[in-house]
Amino acid sequence: AQRVTQPEKLLSVFKGAPVELKCNYSYSGSPELFWYVQYSRQRLQLLLRHISRESIKGFTADLNKGETSFHLKKPFAQEEDSAMYYCALISGSARQLTFGSGTQLTVLP
Amino acid sequence: SAVISQKPSRDICQRGTSLTIQCQVDSQVTMMFWYRQQPGQSLTLIATANQGSEATYESGFVIDKFPISRPNLTFSTLTVSNMSPEDSSIYLCSVVRGQGADEQYFGPGTRLTVT
Repeated sequence: AQRVTQPEKLLSVFKGAPVELKCNYSYSGSPELFWYVQYSRQRLQLLLRHISRESIKGFTADLNKGETSFHLKKPFAQEEDSAMYYCALISGSARQLTFGSGTQLTVLP
Repeated sequence: SAVISQKPSRDICQRGTSLTIQCQVDSQVTMMFWYRQQPGQSLTLIATANQGSEATYESGFVIDKFPISRPNLTFSTLTVSNMSPEDSSIYLCSVVRGQGADEQYFGPGTRLTVT
């Protein structure tokens, strides 16, 4: 069965510092991974997907199949990055999402 | 994107009663899902709502407890039956638009408290 692990429940960094949110997965098939974000009082929304290899709001994430990881990185954190971040994996014929437990990122001034 | 609304936004219910949550989308979508987010926990998929047929439930969730309807491509309901305090959670619907699409759009959630 598929599984997504986010080892850090809470993460605090200072503004301007680099940030890395860790995500590891286990899946027998070819993984499709995503990062979703939930800002305060907003609904959950897609941040980025590994397939598109894009940078969104300065965030990037590289799929490392050898380490089964999909860590989210940003070189210079901003206060508006403070949010709950979920790593997720698609599986199944209906392409259901399996979510990690989430990491609450706080960027301090 | 998709505009998704859920009703009610929150409710407080007594144990043993049932609550039906509605999810309405502003346009036709291919897939609709229902999730539960228990306090301090991540999102767990309850079921995939299938239009015109029975929902597909994930392990640990059964139709008798969480009956789901999806009469058309823009609307679905989730009923939480015979509620207990352990059912206190946020319930979210999500949708996927278009065949082959992978982005899920989430509703605002329904916060349920069972006393």
